[in-house]
Amino acid sequence: DAKTTQPNSMESNEEEPVHLPCNHSTISGTDYIHWYRQLPSQGPEYVIHGLTSNVNNRMASLAIAEDRKSSTLILHRATLRDAAVYYCTEANFGNEKLTFGTGTRLTIIP
Amino acid sequence: DSGVTQTPKHLITATGQRVTLRCSPRSGDLSVYWYQQSLDQGLQFLIQYYNGEERAKGNILERFSAQQFPDLHSELNLSSLELGDSALYFCASRRGTFGGYGYTFGSGTRLTVV
Repeated sequence: DAKTTQPNSMESNEEEPVHLPCNHSTISGTDYIHWYRQLPSQGPEYVIHGLTSNVNNRMASLAIAEDRKSSTLILHRATLRDAAVYYCTEANFGNEKLTFGTGTRLTIIP
Repeated sequence: DSGVTQTPKHLITATGQRVTLRCSPRSGDLSVYWYQQSLDQGLQFLIQYYNGEERAKGNILERFSAQQFPDLHSELNLSSLELGDSALYFCASRRGTFGGYGYTFGSGTRLTVV
C-alpha cells in the first residue's frame, strides 16, 4: 500500500498562503499524487491531483518534486473555510484504492 | 452536493442486527469504493467495484459484504453488528480505473450500534 507522511498539524493566518508538505517514500512512476480534504462530519473532498508537472486549479496548486518523493499543496490565500484535515495519497491503474494516513489538520487563525 | 448520494444519513441499530447502506455514484462513474472511518482507525478502504464486478478488497470483515447493481448503485451489507462497527461509512465513485481520475465522496452514513 502507498505510504505517505505528513505533519500532524499546521497553523496559518487567514489570507496568507499555506504550504502543506507530503512525503511519498514508496511512490512508483505511474502513481498519481492526489490531495483531499475533510471537514468535520463530512466526506473527503477532492482538491487536486497530478503526475509529474505542477498543477493549478481553482482551489489550490500542487507542486511535485522532480524525483516525485515529495509534493506540496499550496493554498494561495487561506480562508476560515479552508480549516480541515488534508490528506495526500496515491493512485494508479491496478492499485486504485486510496490509502489515507492521518493527514494534516490545518487550523486557520483569524 | 458532490453527486454521490448515500442513504441513510444516520442509522442507529442494536448489536446483532443487520443493516444495508446504499450508494448512488455520480452519473457516468463506473467505479465505487467503500470506506469506513472510525475515531481510532481513520479512513480505511473496505472494497471496490467496477462496472458490477468486485475489483479490490481491503480490510473488510467477513460479516460485511457489498455488491454493485446493473444501474451502478452499490449496497454495503453489515451483519451481526458489534459496538465496534459504529463508524462513518463513506462511498466514493470515479469515472474509471485510470490513476488520473479524481474520486468523489458522498457525505456518508453514520452508523451507531447500541
